[in-house]
Amino acid sequence: DTAVSQTPKYLVTQMGNDKSIKCEQNLGHDTMYWYKQDSKKFLKIMFSYNNKELIINETVPNRFSPKSPDKAHLNLHINSLELGDSAVYFCASSWRNEETQYFGPGTRLLVL
Amino acid sequence: QKEVEQDPGPLSVPEGAIVSLNCTYSNSAFQYFMWYRQYSRKGPELLMYTYSSGNKEDGRFTAQVDKSSKYISLFIRDSQPSDSATYLCAMRGGIDYKYIFGTGTRLKVLA
Repeated sequence: DTAVSQTPKYLVTQMGNDKSIKCEQNLGHDTMYWYKQDSKKFLKIMFSYNNKELIINETVPNRFSPKSPDKAHLNLHINSLELGDSAVYFCASSWRNEETQYFGPGTRLLVL
Repeated sequence: QKEVEQDPGPLSVPEGAIVSLNCTYSNSAFQYFMWYRQYSRKGPELLMYTYSSGNKEDGRFTAQVDKSSKYISLFIRDSQPSDSATYLCAMRGGIDYKYIFGTGTRLKVLA
């Protein structure tokens, strides 16, 4: 019954590795987002997809590559992980141009 | 200057107090104003949203928007320990219609 789910919940990895985070929503929304929340709780949008099309691409290193195989899924692949990538990554979904976004539980990434 | 400014707190109040949480912003194109609540180790959840200026009430929560001062507030009446969380304001508007979040205010309601 979870509306927006993410896997994994926790990810501990070494610098230089490549990792992926997956997100799925069962709300029928047409828009999905990736956010990064740093240790000071600042929530910053990274990407947004509408019907599998990239609509927001903030100034994010190109080591981060989102992929949306269908409108219910949005994955995030990160190459060559760096210490500064340690954060909580949240997936969210909404209807485009509607104000309510539904967030997943977050993926806690720790890069050692 | 950040587009949205929010005092990070923490703000500690006794149970039953009235809590006032605030954000200021610089972009006059913002039209939609939201408040999210985030419990520890959880994702944010929408509490309330307001379009343009004015007040909106929902139970113990009241959201206020003053567009002339670029200032929004969330009031919590009769605060409860279960209200302890981080409260994030968010705004939307402008050409790219992007969502911008404040940094969040951590609230602790003491029993």
